[in-house]
Amino acid sequence: QSVLTQPPSVSGAPGQRVTISCTGSSSNIGAGYDVHWYQHLPGTAPKLLIYGDNNRPSGVPDRFSGSKSGTSASLAITGLQAEDEADYYCQSYDSSLSGSLFGGGTKLTVL
Amino acid sequence: EVQLVQSGAEVKKPGESLKISCRVSGYNFTNWWIGWVRQMPGKGLEWMGIIYPGDSDTRYSPSFQGQVTISADKSISTAYLQWSSLKASDTAMYYCGRLSGNYLPRWFDPWGQGTLVTVSS
Repeated sequence: QSVLTQPPSVSGAPGQRVTISCTGSSSNIGAGYDVHWYQHLPGTAPKLLIYGDNNRPSGVPDRFSGSKSGTSASLAITGLQAEDEADYYCQSYDSSLSGSLFGGGTKLTVL
Repeated sequence: EVQLVQSGAEVKKPGESLKISCRVSGYNFTNWWIGWVRQMPGKGLEWMGIIYPGDSDTRYSPSFQGQVTISADKSISTAYLQWSSLKASDTAMYYCGRLSGNYLPRWFDPWGQGTLVTVSS
């Protein structure tokens, strides 16, 4: 089990809103460390979606947004599109491990 | 344009050594951390370790410490990930990425295209 826990899968219909959670603890997200989010389509390089909890890199649609509260972070995707079907990963830092780590990943299915 | 180009797929036997590369262009190689990430078949991303090419400061995840070696050659703007004795369990896709940000954790952007390593007898 990952130190950063994500739901294995989420789904939604086109146009709907989905959220993906990333639950940590007091040694990582709860300690105030930044959370980043990536989109990963099979066979391609992962893509940065959100950095520093809630910042979008240039070129990422504003349909993607990030938030953080307590020991958890969330990625929200509004106006779901078929092209959003991918795996999504959160990343943070853990002081107990003295290193960065990824969540276990969440597969998003667009129905 | 910042680009990270990784070496090609490798097929190796258990016990063999291997060094894969990540050649960068479009920025000053010595001023940015570079990291390596593993994705085993059907599994998620795993943070392996990072290197600062300017002074070769290297950090490893506890899970990978002693299992791999990360290095960099400033003269050719290339980072490396190497194994001295491969195991079947090293079969995976390996990605390199440039790290940005001043606070922990730094984020990966952009990424290399990945190098598939297959270890089989």
